[in-house]
Amino acid sequence: RKEVEQDPGPFNVPEGATVAFNCTYSNSASQSFFWYRQDCRKEPKLLMSVYSSGNEDGRFTAQLNRASQYISLLIRDSKLSDSATYLCVVGHNDMRFGAGTRLTVKP
Amino acid sequence: GAGVSQTPSNKVTEKGKYVELRCDPISGHTALYWYRQSLGQGPEFLIYFQGTGAADDSGLPNDRFFAVRPEGSVSTLKIQRTERGDSAVYLCASSSLVSDTQYFGPGTRLTVL
Repeated sequence: RKEVEQDPGPFNVPEGATVAFNCTYSNSASQSFFWYRQDCRKEPKLLMSVYSSGNEDGRFTAQLNRASQYISLLIRDSKLSDSATYLCVVGHNDMRFGAGTRLTVKP
Repeated sequence: GAGVSQTPSNKVTEKGKYVELRCDPISGHTALYWYRQSLGQGPEFLIYFQGTGAADDSGLPNDRFFAVRPEGSVSTLKIQRTERGDSAVYLCASSSLVSDTQYFGPGTRLTVL
């Protein structure tokens, strides 16, 4: 079993749609959680950290369920520029990345 | 300030050759990470340093791979007797603290012919 597993995708949605990504992790001792965004042939960049209480940044909402070892990312009112691969990242003493979920937002 | 830099940006080598990939982290960042990313996959953890020491090298695939960070800043990933399967983008990241936000360099695209 992989340490971090994500929805396989790809997700193809129209502009304005709401889309949700899920991620599960296996190490119950994990302490830090992030969503990164990666554009084609570019390096990953931090989208947002994920806190136990849940957090929101504009159109993006992240939630963490420690009991179920589950993380989610919700994107509302999706834009063309949201098209990218979204990587779930879980940290304990180091960081482990999921394989990523590819999102394409179409006009 | 400057971000994480990696050199070279591209490296083409022949099977069996030795390569070195360099990473310059953000100044003052104590944690440095190396990852390998193949097409369609997420970054695969290789090794991370806390200061000069390798705190976790469990991701190195075999003994052909080695990394150093002698002065706690610049790091070099070394690959001996390269194989075609080593072809990937090698990413370096740094963070101010372990398990803190990581900032990635642009990567080195290694192609082994």
